[in-house]
Amino acid sequence: DGGITQSPKYLFRKEGQNVTLSCEQNLNHDAMYWYRQDPGQGLRLIYYSQIVNDFQKGDIAEGYSVSREKKESFPLTVTSAQKNPTAFYLCASTQGGTDTQYFGPGTRLTVL
Amino acid sequence: GDSVTQMEGPVTLSEEAFLTINCTYTATGYPSLFWYVQYPGEGLQLLLKATKADDKGSNKGFEATYRKETTSFHLEKGSVQVSDSAVYFCALTRNTGTASKLTFGTGTRLQVTL
Repeated sequence: DGGITQSPKYLFRKEGQNVTLSCEQNLNHDAMYWYRQDPGQGLRLIYYSQIVNDFQKGDIAEGYSVSREKKESFPLTVTSAQKNPTAFYLCASTQGGTDTQYFGPGTRLTVL
Repeated sequence: GDSVTQMEGPVTLSEEAFLTINCTYTATGYPSLFWYVQYPGEGLQLLLKATKADDKGSNKGFEATYRKETTSFHLEKGSVQVSDSAVYFCALTRNTGTASKLTFGTGTRLQVTL
């Protein structure tokens, strides 16, 4: 089945540690996105990538980093510079030139 | 900049009641409009979309009409079920090259009881 996978579903880390969230898609989509979801605030865009080896900052990129070495993969690193990293993180993708985003199941990150 | 405003929840309804969740937007030009649904602990699923004025999106008994004159995209369903309990997000998008940047509302939680 085609789709987007995110792993792990739940992630716990100590304060001050970097952590990398995985996002893989087998839809052959060109563009990929990372969103952060906090209670009562909807989703906010962290980073997006239109093609391999290229990515742009979204609205809340500070404290995060990404890479896009392969078309199907777009990992997100939450660095120790992110002041409040505990949140639900969602990855999405779109086929080039279309506007419908398909979402993965999400990763809930808790920093202790 | 672009923005989306949704009615605050939670919205609590009895099964078979009529549902309306209001959504208004602010944007220049002609964005595409979406409703996404999120079930507990899961990612978002596309519920319906409309790409131009007066278009009606529909899916699983839900409907929404793109009203440019009132900048609205209200979600409706004639008879809700317990299984419709979820959080509903209104969103708009404008294309940027090959990417499509979504702007979301804050979400409206729907609770349907027997």
